[in-house]
Amino acid sequence: DIQMTQSPSTLSASVGDRVTITCRASQSISTWLAWYQQRPGKAPKLLIYKASSLESGGPSRFSGSGSGTEFTLTISSLQPEDFATYYCQQYNFYPVTFGQGTKVEIK
Amino acid sequence: EEQLVESGGGLVQAGRSLRLSCTASGFTFADHPMSWFRQAPGRGLEWVGFIRSKAHGGTTEYAASLKGRFTISRDDSKSIGYLQMNSLKTEDTAVYYCTRSHSSGYYYAYWGQGTLVTVSS
Repeated sequence: DIQMTQSPSTLSASVGDRVTITCRASQSISTWLAWYQQRPGKAPKLLIYKASSLESGGPSRFSGSGSGTEFTLTISSLQPEDFATYYCQQYNFYPVTFGQGTKVEIK
Repeated sequence: EEQLVESGGGLVQAGRSLRLSCTASGFTFADHPMSWFRQAPGRGLEWVGFIRSKAHGGTTEYAASLKGRFTISRDDSKSIGYLQMNSLKTEDTAVYYCTRSHSSGYYYAYWGQGTLVTVSS
């Protein structure tokens, strides 16, 4: 199975900060990568697909980039509702696999 | 509005069985594969398996660690998907989500609210 590794595991930031989360794949997955946001007690919410495509209705402060084995999710200006856990997911290879998550906390 | 609603979770003893249901609305359920994921308390997301649409054979795939104990099925006439879980173990304790993948790839824009399964020893 493809291993997905996110860094950092936890990130402390303030409202208005620019935040970057990294996701690395154990082998090339082209751009077949999605990002999700999960708030406590809620289902994951799709933010980005195909590495850089913003899901319909998603806030424009979220952006994704990368290809091959290294990817990033950037939040340009952190808002109070963005404090949550973020997961990357590859869908180039079966089975789909997720990173372990990055928790964005209030500084 | 496209919606998925899971049901059937609860407290069950190790070794017993449980069947989860996923009721879909707002889209043509029969046209899409259906996947199940789970999330143990405080842990990340784990793929459980999926069932293809009948147009693509209606076949199933499972996580290797679960194969043989879990079975996914679907009733397109009722727009319901099922996850049959047998020989449950305490490590199966998790919130179980059903999802619908996007038509262009196995990423997931549609999730149910999740149903908690607690397996006691």
